[in-house]
Amino acid sequence: EAGVAQSPRYKIIEKRQSVAFWCNPISGHATLYWYQQILGQGPKLLIQFQNNGVVDDSQLPKDRFSAERLKGVDSTLKIQPAKLEDSAVYLCASSLDALMGVRETQYFGPGTRLLVL
Amino acid sequence: AQSVTQLDSQVPVFEEAPVELRCNYSSSVSVYLFWYVQYPNQGLQLLLKYLSGSTLVKGINGFEAEFNKSQTSFHLRKPSVHISDTAEYFCAVTPSDGTDKLIFGTGTRLQVFP
Repeated sequence: EAGVAQSPRYKIIEKRQSVAFWCNPISGHATLYWYQQILGQGPKLLIQFQNNGVVDDSQLPKDRFSAERLKGVDSTLKIQPAKLEDSAVYLCASSLDALMGVRETQYFGPGTRLLVL
Repeated sequence: AQSVTQLDSQVPVFEEAPVELRCNYSSSVSVYLFWYVQYPNQGLQLLLKYLSGSTLVKGINGFEAEFNKSQTSFHLRKPSVHISDTAEYFCAVTPSDGTDKLIFGTGTRLQVFP
C-alpha cells in the first residue's frame, strides 16, 4: 500500500514570495491533515479536511495561508506572502475516517522542508 | 485545553541498555494517548496508542508504554535499545470528547551509542 506522498521535499524562497505544497493521501482515506513543525517543536495542526470539507482550521493563519481539497483526494497548502517565521517542515497526514468515532491512526508523509530567507 | 510535556529534550543511551522516555499531560477531560517516532528525513510513524482497557500498551519495535491516570503520565519504555532506535519521539494526546485533534509534545531525541 502506498503511503502519503508529498512534494516538493525541500523548498527555499525569499520572504514575501509565495509557495505551494502538494499532498496525496493514502487511497480511500477520507480525512486529511496539514501540520506545521517548527524546529525544536512538535507538529501543530493547521487544518483538517473530511473529504472536501474543512473540519478544523482554527490554527491556520488565514491572512497568508490557504488550503484546498477540491475533489476530496489531493490537497494543496499555499503560503502567500511567506514570512521568515514560516520556515518549518509541513507535514501532511491522512486517516481512514476520523468521523467514524474510532480513533483512527493518522499516517504521515515525509514532509516538505521550507526555508524562508 | 490539553497540553503535553516531554521534559527530556535529549536522551543518550548505550546500545542494549534500557530506556524510558517521559511524557506528562494536562487535560480537563479524558484523553487518548499516543507515541510517534520520527526517523531522520521521514514522517511520523505510530508506535503505540492507549484508547481504553489495560494501562500497559505494547507497540511496534519492542516498545511499550504505561498509562498512569493519577500521575497523568504515559512514559515510553524499551528494555534493550538498538542503534536503529535513534530517532525523535513524540508523545501526543487527543481529547475523548469527540474531536480528533492531536496535540504533540516538543519531542525527545533518543541517541543510541554503540
